[in-house]
Amino acid sequence: DQQVKQNSPSLSVQEGRISILNCDYTNSMFDYFLWYKKYPAEGPTFLISISSIKDKNEDGRFTVFLNKSAKHLSLHIVPSQPGDSAVYFCAASGTDNQFYFGTGTSLTVIP
Amino acid sequence: EAQVTQNPRYLITVTGKKLTVTCSQNMNHEYMSWYRQDPGLGLRQIYYSMNVEVTDKGDVPEGYKVSRKEKRNFPLILESPSPNQTSLYFCASSSGFYNSPLHFGNGTRLTVT
Repeated sequence: DQQVKQNSPSLSVQEGRISILNCDYTNSMFDYFLWYKKYPAEGPTFLISISSIKDKNEDGRFTVFLNKSAKHLSLHIVPSQPGDSAVYFCAASGTDNQFYFGTGTSLTVIP
Repeated sequence: EAQVTQNPRYLITVTGKKLTVTCSQNMNHEYMSWYRQDPGLGLRQIYYSMNVEVTDKGDVPEGYKVSRKEKRNFPLILESPSPNQTSLYFCASSSGFYNSPLHFGNGTRLTVT
């Protein structure tokens, strides 16, 4: 059963606007959440993470928000750039030290 | 440069012919794992290793074997590949410390005919 879910397979955004990618999880024992970015023919690259003791973490244009009560996290990219076009995976980890991934959201930033 | 290296990048084989995909990391990471990526299913863990000589099954271990004889290497072995193992495979490593991210290799695209 999928413990981490990304319900939007794809998203298109105009350059300069905000991209919001969403992720839901079911396991309340998860306490570390990550976003990865993946270009074709490359492996996923780590983008940003957040611990469950925080509700927001920012790194440049990328901000991750965590809502523990709703078991929901989101990635905001502002402003979006054409180079941000990629597949984004969210992942979660808990005390078992295993990483559980969502199915990915393909982001297209339109110039 | 810190990296996870997988070989080969592309592999086409026939059903039943044993193959090995190699994975090596130069970051002195304790933790290593293998994932497969399939359309609509995301990344699913095959096997992982918390340390040398310690391996455990992930979510989809059937048909695969691994070994961890040295810290830097974590090969994935398909003893008798079948067409349903056609997939994109990723090796990953992590320091193993709490709240440390995974670092991925560039992937191996395997086709079994």
